[in-house]
Amino acid sequence: EDQVTQSPEALRLQEGESSSLNCSYTVSGLRGLFWYRQDPGKGPEFLFTLYSAGEEKEKERLKATLTKKESFLHITAPKPEDSATYLCAVYGSSNTGKLIFGQGTTLQVKP
Amino acid sequence: DTAVSQTPKYLVTQMGNDKSIKCEQNLGHDTMYWYKQDSKKFLKIMFSYNNKELIINETVPNRFSPKSPDKAHLNLHINSLELGDSAVYFCASSQVVDTQYFGPGTRLTVL
Repeated sequence: EDQVTQSPEALRLQEGESSSLNCSYTVSGLRGLFWYRQDPGKGPEFLFTLYSAGEEKEKERLKATLTKKESFLHITAPKPEDSATYLCAVYGSSNTGKLIFGQGTTLQVKP
Repeated sequence: DTAVSQTPKYLVTQMGNDKSIKCEQNLGHDTMYWYKQDSKKFLKIMFSYNNKELIINETVPNRFSPKSPDKAHLNLHINSLELGDSAVYFCASSQVVDTQYFGPGTRLTVL
């Protein structure tokens, strides 16, 4: 069964303190790994899709990387507005049409 | 201008009542989804429709019935509401399976 585990569950950083969020996955035939950002009281907002090991994508202070077992979301010099819950999800060949989500990492960046 | 919209934003009701949540997307996507997010922020798919046809039906109680009158709309009707149905329900849409765009969510509270 496809599974996604995110760590840590919660992360507190000082503004400017870079760190990484982890997403470990087991999936039959990875067809895509997705990162979303979710602010309190809002729906998940799409950030990145990664399709194969070695792929990297960047957006502002965020960089997502992918290996065969895990993905990292690197946050460089975070700002308070980066505070949110970050969700990871996978789409495998045995789960046609549905994303399997992890439980999320809640990031708090203090000024 | 909203890509995926849901109504209502909040829904408070008594056990045993029947309620509906509506979803509309203006992205021209063929596929729409319903997800449930529990108190621990874990997102789990419930249903998916592709061009008005049901393609994913997870192990959801049959008190939940989705209806898609056209490919831009996907509604969720819930009969005989129970305390355990309290959660945030998200609608999403996509053109292909991977990049899904989420609505703002409907917070359902069953008293």
